[in-house]
Amino acid sequence: NAGVTQTPKFQVLKTGQSMTLQCAQDMNHEYMSWYRQDPGMGLRLIHYSVGAGITDQGEVPNGYNVSRSTTEDFPLRLLSAAPSQTSVYFCASSYELVGAGGRDTQYFGPGTRLTVL
Amino acid sequence: GQQVMQIPQYQHVQEGEDFTTYCNSSTTLSNIQWYKQRPGGHPVFLIQLVKSGEVKKQKRLTFQFGEAKKNSSLHITATQTTDVGTYFCAGGSNDYKLSFGAGTTVTVRA
Repeated sequence: NAGVTQTPKFQVLKTGQSMTLQCAQDMNHEYMSWYRQDPGMGLRLIHYSVGAGITDQGEVPNGYNVSRSTTEDFPLRLLSAAPSQTSVYFCASSYELVGAGGRDTQYFGPGTRLTVL
Repeated sequence: GQQVMQIPQYQHVQEGEDFTTYCNSSTTLSNIQWYKQRPGGHPVFLIQLVKSGEVKKQKRLTFQFGEAKKNSSLHITATQTTDVGTYFCAGGSNDYKLSFGAGTTVTVRA
C-alpha cells in the first residue's frame, strides 16, 4: 500500500492563480480531510469528507473547494490564490469517522508546501 | 466551537531529563489522539485514549486522559535525541472533526 499520497510536493503561485492539490489513498478509508499548517498554529481543518459524495466545511474553509467523487481521491482547489494561503497542506484519511474512538487514526500524506507571491 | 490548547509551545530539554506537555479542551472530548511530527515531515500517529482516566505507556512515553475527558498529558522520561520533533494532541468530537493543539516543539541538548 502506498498509503496517502499528495502531489505536488512544492508549488509556487502568483496571487489570483488557481490550482488543485491532489490527494489519494489506497486504504479504502471513508473519512478524508485537508489541513493547513502554519507556524505556531498547529493543524487547522479546511474541509473533510465522510464518504464519496459527502463533504463539509472545517475551521478555515474560505478560499478552498473540495469534492469527493470516489473513495480514493479528495482534491483541494484553490480558487484564487492569496498570500495568506501560503502554508503547508496535509491530506489525511482514516478508516472510521473522526470522534468514533475506534479506528479513526489519521494517516497523513507527506504534504504540499505552497507559496503564494 | 471546540478548542484545544496545548502547552508549552517550546520545550528545551537536556538529554536524560524528563518533561511533560499538556493539552486542554474547552469541551468534553470523545477521544484524544497524540501525533509526532519530525522536522520537515508529516504527523505520525502515536496513540489514542478513549476512556476517562485512561493511562497508556509506550516505552518512555506515558499518556493520560483526564477524568472529565477535557485534558490530557504526554510525559517523556529520560529524553533522547530521537525525541526531537513536535508533539500534537488532537481532540475528537461527535461532529466528525478532529481539533489539533498548536503543538509542543521539543529540542534536546546532548
